Amino acid sequence: AQSVTQLDSHVSVSEGTPVLLRCNYSSSYSPSLFWYVQHPNKGLQLLLKYTSAATLVKGINGFEAEFKKSETSFHLTKPSAHMSDAAEYFCVVSDWNDYKLSFGAGTTVTVRA
Amino acid sequence: NAGVTQTPKFQVLKTGQSMTLQCAQDMNHEYMSWYRQDPGMGLRLIHYSVGAGITDQGEVPNGYNVSRSTTEDFPLRLLSAAPSQTSVYFCASREQGTNTEAFFGQGTRLTVV
Repeated sequence: AQSVTQLDSHVSVSEGTPVLLRCNYSSSYSPSLFWYVQHPNKGLQLLLKYTSAATLVKGINGFEAEFKKSETSFHLTKPSAHMSDAAEYFCVVSDWNDYKLSFGAGTTVTVRA
Repeated sequence: NAGVTQTPKFQVLKTGQSMTLQCAQDMNHEYMSWYRQDPGMGLRLIHYSVGAGITDQGEVPNGYNVSRSTTEDFPLRLLSAAPSQTSVYFCASREQGTNTEAFFGQGTRLTVV
């Protein structure tokens, strides 16, 4: 069975400073991992995905994530936060042989001017 | 435009009423699913389908029915609405192959009074 733990429910950063969102996963097989972003009252948009190729994955809007199998982690980072990054972020896992997606509880990012 | 379309965007129901949330996709995806989003809980899987005529239960199926008569459509039925079903509902579709991302509709905000 697969599951995801997002270690921070809320992260607050100043504009221009780095953002780190932490995600640990549990998976029986080789997982696929995703980060989605949800802006207020909007749907979910894919930021990036890991599917067993390069362990450092680059996504949209300057975000990237590193897959670390030994630590079962898939942390999301951005070097310099922008006001438009204020949103909720979800880490998602899928086992290689399963269509189903398992979501973390989400991390709300606040960006201070 | 290609994508997942959900209707309605907003709905208020009285306890005991029934209704159907509509979901359609035009990407010829075999896999479709319904999630509910509640604060602090991420998205939880209600029902899913791996193709026309095939449906199965997810994590929180009680009180909901689905059917899949065509590849394009995957309606979610609430048989007798309860206040506990107040939530935001998302429909998603996914291409075959378990390393692919899911595409989400814009969501339906349902309030049961």
